[in-house]
Amino acid sequence: SQQGEEDPQALSIQEGENATMNCSYKTSINNLQWYRQNSGRGLVHLILIRSNEREKHSGRLRVTLDTSKKSSSLLITASRAADTASYFCATDPDSNYQLIWGAGTKLIIKP
Amino acid sequence: GAGVSQSPRYKVAKRGQDVALRCDPISGHVSLFWYQQALGQGPEFLTYFQNEAQLDKSGLPSDRFFAERPEGSVSTLKIQRTQQEDSAVYLCASSLVSAGGAEAFFGQGTRLTVV
Repeated sequence: SQQGEEDPQALSIQEGENATMNCSYKTSINNLQWYRQNSGRGLVHLILIRSNEREKHSGRLRVTLDTSKKSSSLLITASRAADTASYFCATDPDSNYQLIWGAGTKLIIKP
Repeated sequence: GAGVSQSPRYKVAKRGQDVALRCDPISGHVSLFWYQQALGQGPEFLTYFQNEAQLDKSGLPSDRFFAERPEGSVSTLKIQRTQQEDSAVYLCASSLVSAGGAEAFFGQGTRLTVV
C-alpha cells in the first residue's frame, strides 16, 4: 500500500516558470524525502527533510513540511527542460525503516 | 562502478519460467532494499537486508518470490513460476547506514515482462 499521494498527478509548464508539487501522507514520520525519476537516470534522491524541520533549500529546490497537516511541497524554481521527470515523495514512518512512496507527479517542462 | 548496478536491464520471461535478478550495491553499503514498481506508480517495498540478514520480507507478494544476500554485498531476487502480474520494474537500492530514512541510491532497475 502507498502512504503518500502526490498532487497534481501531472503538471505541464513553460521553461523558466516555477513548478510546485504537493505530497500528503497518512502516518507520523521521521523524515520525508523527494526523489526524481526519469528514463535516463532512474530514481535519484533530491532532498530529505526531517520531521522537526519546516523548510529546506537545495539549489533551485525548496521543500516545506507541515506535520500537523501531514503534507509537504516541492518547489522547483526557474524550471529547465532537464527537470522533466516524475517526482515522488517517500516517507519513513516511525515504525520501521521502509520508505513508503506516493504515485508521483509527472512534470513536463515545455521549451 | 560508483553506483548501484542491476542486471539484466530487461528480461522477457514466459509464464511459468523462473527468473533471477541481480543487484550490485555500492561497496560498503549496509542496507539493501528491493522494490517493485508498476507502470505509473511509485515503488512498493518488497524486502530489506542489513548486511547478509534479511530483516524484513513482508512486502514479497507470494512464496514464489525469494531474495538473498549471502555475503552482505550482491543480492539476488528470484521469482519462481512467473505470472503475468509479476510484470513490473524491479528496483534495488542501497544505503550506507542501517538507520531508517537514510538517502537511498537506486539502480536503473530490471524491467520484467512476463508473456
